[in-house]
Amino acid sequence: EVQLLESGGGLVQPGGSLRLSCAASGFTFSNYGMSWVRQAPGKGLEGVSIISDSGHTTYYADSVKGRFTISRDNSKNTLYLQMNSLRAEDTALYYCAKALAPGRPFDYWGQGALVTVSS
Amino acid sequence: EIVLTQSPATLSLSPGERATLSCRASQSVSSNLAWYQQKPGQAPRLLIYDASNRATGIPARFSGSGSGTDFTLTISSLEPEDFAVYYCQQRSNWWTFGQGTKVEIK
Repeated sequence: EVQLLESGGGLVQPGGSLRLSCAASGFTFSNYGMSWVRQAPGKGLEGVSIISDSGHTTYYADSVKGRFTISRDNSKNTLYLQMNSLRAEDTALYYCAKALAPGRPFDYWGQGALVTVSS
Repeated sequence: EIVLTQSPATLSLSPGERATLSCRASQSVSSNLAWYQQKPGQAPRLLIYDASNRATGIPARFSGSGSGTDFTLTISSLEPEDFAVYYCQQRSNWWTFGQGTKVEIK
C-alpha cells in the first residue's frame, strides 16, 4: 500500500524557515517524480514544486521561486521542501504527492502538513 | 501561465442525477488534463487523467471528455459519496489547477 507521510509543519514567523519532509513507502520511490502542492485555508490547490525521479530536474511556481528548494533522498525514500523567507501568504496545508508517471498527474497524496506563517 | 476556469462554481443536485462539470483552459492543453475529487478534511483523489482515462479504482460512473481548451467531467448518476469539490489540472505548461466546482446535495 502506497503511503506518504508529511512532517515538519508548524508555526513560524514571517521571514523564518521551515523544512518539510515526506516519508514514502509501498512503492519504488526512486522510480517516480514527486511534488509539493499546497492549499491555503478554504482555498483551492496550488502547485508548488516538482522533482524528477533522479532529483536532477526541478520546477517551481513563480510564487516560491528563489525561496523554496525541493530535494529528495532516494536512499531514505524521503522528499523534502526547504522553505525560506516565509510570508503570510505561504500559510497553507502542504501535500506531498506522487506522480503517476513522468509528466503525469498525481495518483497518491499524503494527508498534508500545516504551515502557518504569523507573528 | 495557463488559466483553468471551472463552471459552475456550485452544482446543486440530488442523488441519482447526472452531474456535468466544465473546465476551460485559456490556451490549448491538448489532452493533458486531469480531474481530482476532494472531500472535506481529505487529500485530493485522482479521478481522470489524459482527459478521459479513469484512474485505478475509479467507478465507471465517472467519465471525462474533451481536448484543446474545453473539457467535461460527467458523473452519470450521483452516489451519496460523490458530493465533494472537483478540480481540474493541466500539465501542458507548468501545472495549474482550476478553482474547483462544489457538487452539493440539493
